[in-house]
Amino acid sequence: KQEVTQIPAALSVPEGENLVLNCSFTDSAIYNLQWFRQDPGKGLTSLLLIQSSQREQTSGRLNASLDKSSGRSTLYIAASQPGDSATYLCAVYSGGGADGLTFGKGTHLIIQP
Amino acid sequence: GAGVSQSPSNKVTEKGKDVELRCDPISGHTALYWYRQSLGQGLEFLIYFQGNSAPDKSGLPSDRFSAERTGGSVSTLTIQRTQQEDSAVYLCASSQTGGPLHFGNGTRLTVT
Repeated sequence: KQEVTQIPAALSVPEGENLVLNCSFTDSAIYNLQWFRQDPGKGLTSLLLIQSSQREQTSGRLNASLDKSSGRSTLYIAASQPGDSATYLCAVYSGGGADGLTFGKGTHLIIQP
Repeated sequence: GAGVSQSPSNKVTEKGKDVELRCDPISGHTALYWYRQSLGQGLEFLIYFQGNSAPDKSGLPSDRFSAERTGGSVSTLTIQRTQQEDSAVYLCASSQTGGPLHFGNGTRLTVT
């Protein structure tokens, strides 16, 4: 059974810093990996989707990488801003139905002004 | 619409009453998921639809919970005889198979 772990569970950094959030998974047979952000009381907003054949995806100040063989993905946030404060979740899709979609518990990020 | 739409956004109900939550997925998305999130907790899977069929109901917490999807589009999640422990945010998501998952803003259910 796929297990997804996100470290750290919480992170607080000063504004302007570059930072890395980590996501690891136990079964490397995946179709894709997706990063989301969730603001308090809101749904999840999709940030980046990396297909299994890809190594990285970029959107603005965000860069997500995927190393399938080692079961790892990182989300890099450049020049962090207070508006980046949110919970960041990764989800791994291994095919099939709902069993094939596994979420991590998230990293709660606070950017100090 | 452009995204997944859920209604109502908030629902307050008395214990013992039935509630119905609605999800309008993105047009053309065949996969539809319902999740539940209690305050400060992670996502709890409830049910998954592929088209109109619900191949995976394993996450429904009790027989008070049911869901249907009609025309491969709109889905409703019904909770009968609500209990206080049902209070949570109910999230719906849709995707094309293997594609990016898109979430609605959720329905915040409060059972008093």
